[in-house]
Amino acid sequence: ETGVTQTPRHLVMGMTNKKSLKCEQHLGHNAMYWYKQSAKKPLELMFVYSLEERVENNSVPSRFSPECPNSSHLFLHLHTLQPEDSALYLCASSQDPAPRPGNEQFFGPGTRLTVL
Amino acid sequence: GQNIDQPTEMTATEGAIVQINCTYQTSGFNGLFWYQQHAGEAPTFLSYNVLDGLEEKGRFSSFLSRSKGYSYLLLKELQMKDSASYLCAVTSTDSWGKFQFGAGTQVVVTP
Repeated sequence: ETGVTQTPRHLVMGMTNKKSLKCEQHLGHNAMYWYKQSAKKPLELMFVYSLEERVENNSVPSRFSPECPNSSHLFLHLHTLQPEDSALYLCASSQDPAPRPGNEQFFGPGTRLTVL
Repeated sequence: GQNIDQPTEMTATEGAIVQINCTYQTSGFNGLFWYQQHAGEAPTFLSYNVLDGLEEKGRFSSFLSRSKGYSYLLLKELQMKDSASYLCAVTSTDSWGKFQFGAGTQVVVTP
């Protein structure tokens, strides 16, 4: 496996379900990110982790719970979601959180989430 | 906070040139990225500007004017495969690790 992988690619869940999204990066990066992408809207940054420590939490509802057990893996635990949470959830990684040439973010293919 | 504006959609013919503008308002500006995203796929990095001026990479060029809060992405010799959404993203020293994205510009290349 190379780059950034995400599983599952598609997920349909009810509002009372609990599920988890998984992201894995094989690039040796130290920073990982969760984004939400809704139709016709900008990518919304949700969480930033640097060396497994959360450094940014962008006012995300508590029904989304991130976990970063090591620098290669990132999870997003979901519970009691709402239909408006249906979106594409993208994971990304970069060498570290500092913006500079050569430190661009590499994105995974995303998980298409539908909440019924 | 940060506001990023870019046109919603642009259409151009194969072989032509298209310029996608991005204006932003931010404190502590620390760089601007352009990404390409094909439908159903992940965004992929195109360019990064932090100093004023033009950065050229093959058929794609990106320009930045920090004093005007303005950038553009220039796509030359358009090909059908260039049909995609182009995302402008701004970073700020005020928010460590925070990339603020625009809504994207959908470019449609016609034969």
